Amino acid sequence: QSVLTQPPSVSGAPGQRVTISCTGSSSNIGAGYDVHWYQQLPGTAPKLLISGNSNRPSGVPDRFSGSKSGTSASLAISGLQAEDEADYYCQSYDSSLSAYVFGTGTKVTVL
Amino acid sequence: QLQLQESGPGLVKPSETLSLTCTVSGDSISSSRNYWGWIRQPPGKGLEWIGSFYYSGSTYYNPSLKSRVTKSVDTSKNQFSLKLSSVTAADTAIYYCVESSSSRFGCWGQGTLVTVSS
Repeated sequence: QSVLTQPPSVSGAPGQRVTISCTGSSSNIGAGYDVHWYQQLPGTAPKLLISGNSNRPSGVPDRFSGSKSGTSASLAISGLQAEDEADYYCQSYDSSLSAYVFGTGTKVTVL
Repeated sequence: QLQLQESGPGLVKPSETLSLTCTVSGDSISSSRNYWGWIRQPPGKGLEWIGSFYYSGSTYYNPSLKSRVTKSVDTSKNQFSLKLSSVTAADTAIYYCVESSSSRFGCWGQGTLVTVSS
């Protein structure tokens, strides 16, 4: 059972903005550990999308943005495109578990 | 450019040991400042961190798997390996080898499906 909770699914029309929440606790996000986000296209390995809460690795479009506040983090996708249909996972470290932990995952559907 | 490639049997019998190897190209395991490790994903489910290690330093395992996991390194082949003992059907998953730094997993192998079945 994951300690980082995400909505199972979000959807939006092309061009719209969607956000994905990642809710943790005082032993992970709330303790100050960084949150990272991954995009997993169908049938492929996850790819780092946002690192260190809000930083985009080279090559990631600026349509993707991340933020963190308190015990939660969020990923926003603006100007939604068909190729954004994928599963998205947040990730952090949990000091109570002494383990890196992933969110439950969110499937983004472009209507 | 850094690339990782998993290899190993796709089918393992229950109670036996799962063994996978990750071949690294584009960087040297023994001289890199990065960590190396494994993450798995049961079919249709989420991601689970298995463990990470720094060549000249510490090794960290997920406490939920620690008693069954062993890692090894072959610097001559620039490879690292995972062994998971006493497997059950619950260990059926896609196994990814990964590179990490600053707590994020920056580079992933394509993954290899391991099925535990008799």
